[in-house]
Amino acid sequence: NAGVTQTPKFRVLKTGQSMTLLCAQDMNHEYMYWYRQDPGMGLRLIHYSVGEGTTAKGEVPDGYNVSRLKKQNFLLGLESAAPSQTSVYFCASQGQGNQPQHFGDGTRLSIL
Amino acid sequence: AQSVTQPDIHITVSEGASLELRCNYSYGATPYLFWYVQSPGQGLQLLLKYFSGDTLVQGIKGFEAEFKRSQSSFNLRKPSVHWSDAAEYFCAVAPSGAGSYQLTFGKGTKLSVIP
Repeated sequence: NAGVTQTPKFRVLKTGQSMTLLCAQDMNHEYMYWYRQDPGMGLRLIHYSVGEGTTAKGEVPDGYNVSRLKKQNFLLGLESAAPSQTSVYFCASQGQGNQPQHFGDGTRLSIL
Repeated sequence: AQSVTQPDIHITVSEGASLELRCNYSYGATPYLFWYVQSPGQGLQLLLKYFSGDTLVQGIKGFEAEFKRSQSSFNLRKPSVHWSDAAEYFCAVAPSGAGSYQLTFGKGTKLSVIP
């Protein structure tokens, strides 16, 4: 049972490059989320989705875009990477009703 | 907007000793409350959650937490710590209600365990 799978696990980018992080869940969950984790900051919500084809902004959305074309996948894009986006990115999914969010193992992204 | 405070950045306890990690939240109504644990290089694992009902919540790995509305607190406890409990612990809060919710996390408490 894979749960929430994030790819890639590690990536190094140069400033100005673009990339897409993929989150896939096999639990048929309706809701999906992208967070970033920075030292001493806890996790902060970037964007989320309440269903296929829908997305919404979280606490720190600037510089990121997302898409949810398929229910099981939630993509996070960086169009022009900046050093301030160096972070660990976590994806989570959640079923309907009073359900907890389930997290992936994270993607470590460094931008030089 | 809700907020979460974990007053202790780092706690060190001896193996076998009891543990209490503090969490205070700010929210206008009764929120959903969570404790997650993160081992180095890993994702977050849910320890326990409170949605409603009994204010003393039992979780995995022998952890429990108590919701105290009057103190806006949701402290995590364990009677006897094991070396494998060394990790970082995050308290989180979300507005109550059906459907999707946005978690607000505290900054975390790192737990070190002395053999």
